[in-house]
Amino acid sequence: AQKVTQAQTEISVVEKEDVTLDCVYETRDTTYYLFWYKQPPSGELVFLIRRNSFDEQNEISGRYSWNFQKSTSSFNFTITASQVVDSAVYFCALSEARGGSYIPTFGRGTSLIVHP
Amino acid sequence: DADVTQTPRNRITKTGKRIMLECSQTKGHDRMYWYRQDPGLGLRLIYYSFDVKDINKGEISDGYSVSRQAQAKFSLSLESAIPNQTALYFCATSDSWTQRTDTQYFGPGTRLTVL
Repeated sequence: AQKVTQAQTEISVVEKEDVTLDCVYETRDTTYYLFWYKQPPSGELVFLIRRNSFDEQNEISGRYSWNFQKSTSSFNFTITASQVVDSAVYFCALSEARGGSYIPTFGRGTSLIVHP
Repeated sequence: DADVTQTPRNRITKTGKRIMLECSQTKGHDRMYWYRQDPGLGLRLIYYSFDVKDINKGEISDGYSVSRQAQAKFSLSLESAIPNQTALYFCATSDSWTQRTDTQYFGPGTRLTVL
């Protein structure tokens, strides 16, 4: 079973629509970290957010918001009023302790296509 | 200049050839990682290193080896390349001196094709 499941392989929306990317994770640890990374068509991977398991407050950064719910083991990412520049592959990752340190495990990614 | 650089950016090689991918960083981070990305499979960890004398296998280390020549340099070798090693390879760094030791900062990637 995957530790990080991004069930949506590809999402296609029209500009200005809101879109939510789902991420469900699996862990037995009480302390862990969750991430989102963005990979635009140019290929680089860009860090977006890191969240620890003790902080369930939602976070908003401009048009981006993240909803962390431990009860459902989910860390969903919403883009409000999507733009063409949001087109990218988005990866969710889970970081658990391994041998005293934390190493991330990535989901398979969700490809977001925003049409003009 | 980019903080994490990878060379080459693109490489085409033949089955059985030895190939080395290099990664350098100017971020001053002590931890370095190699991942491969395949379509539909996300990023998978190959090897990671927490300092010059520390090398650890990741999820998919078979067929690969690494060398940490200095704090700033971490190279990945394919001793005898095979076609299913065709992938996009990423180097990443992280900093153990902050609380965010697991936040990864990635290089631009190397696209490797094995014919």
